[in-house]
Amino acid sequence: EDQVTQSPEALRLQEGESSSLNCSYTVSGLRGLFWYRQDPGKGPEFLFTLYSAGEEKEKERLKATLTKKESFLHITAPKPEDSATYLCAVQPPGGNFNKFYFGSGTKLNVKP
Amino acid sequence: DAMVIQNPRYQVTQFGKPVTLSCSQTLNHNVMYWYQQKSSQAPKLLFHYYDKDFNNEADTPDNFQSRRPNTSFCFLDIRSPGLGDTAMYLCATSRDTEAFFGQGTRLTVV
Repeated sequence: EDQVTQSPEALRLQEGESSSLNCSYTVSGLRGLFWYRQDPGKGPEFLFTLYSAGEEKEKERLKATLTKKESFLHITAPKPEDSATYLCAVQPPGGNFNKFYFGSGTKLNVKP
Repeated sequence: DAMVIQNPRYQVTQFGKPVTLSCSQTLNHNVMYWYQQKSSQAPKLLFHYYDKDFNNEADTPDNFQSRRPNTSFCFLDIRSPGLGDTAMYLCATSRDTEAFFGQGTRLTVV
């Protein structure tokens, strides 16, 4: 049973062309939602944590938002160095609160 | 400063030959995780430790085992690797909020 679904699987943008990545989840009573960046051959790098619907976090050209069923990662005026796979993970509530379940990611390619 | 360190970065092993991957952390986090990530797939949780308490995912093969001798170190043992175990193995730590990952060990079974 998939708990986290990310779309699109791949996204190609021109430098400066803003867009959004989607993460939808089926966990009820979410404890936290996390965004990571993963470069090829490396471990995921933490970007943001979101805890409640309506919350937003920003870092440079990235902004993450959260609703009750999905999260968006907005990329404003991306640069080639933003090319990476972006992973979303959820942390369910209750006794399993230590676990993180990941989506399969969106592979972003920003062309100069 | 490296915070979660995995060794080795690359490992090639023969089919059926036991292999051990290691992970150390300088964050003093109480939770440590092992994930398996195959090409273009989501990281899949194998098991995690909450302090010394071991938690196995229901679908983690018996071929995979783990040890955590102290807070700082955690090991992943694959007793008889198969070709399907070729993957990136990721170690992560957490103190109840976000998880921090190491650079991973790329394991190839030949």
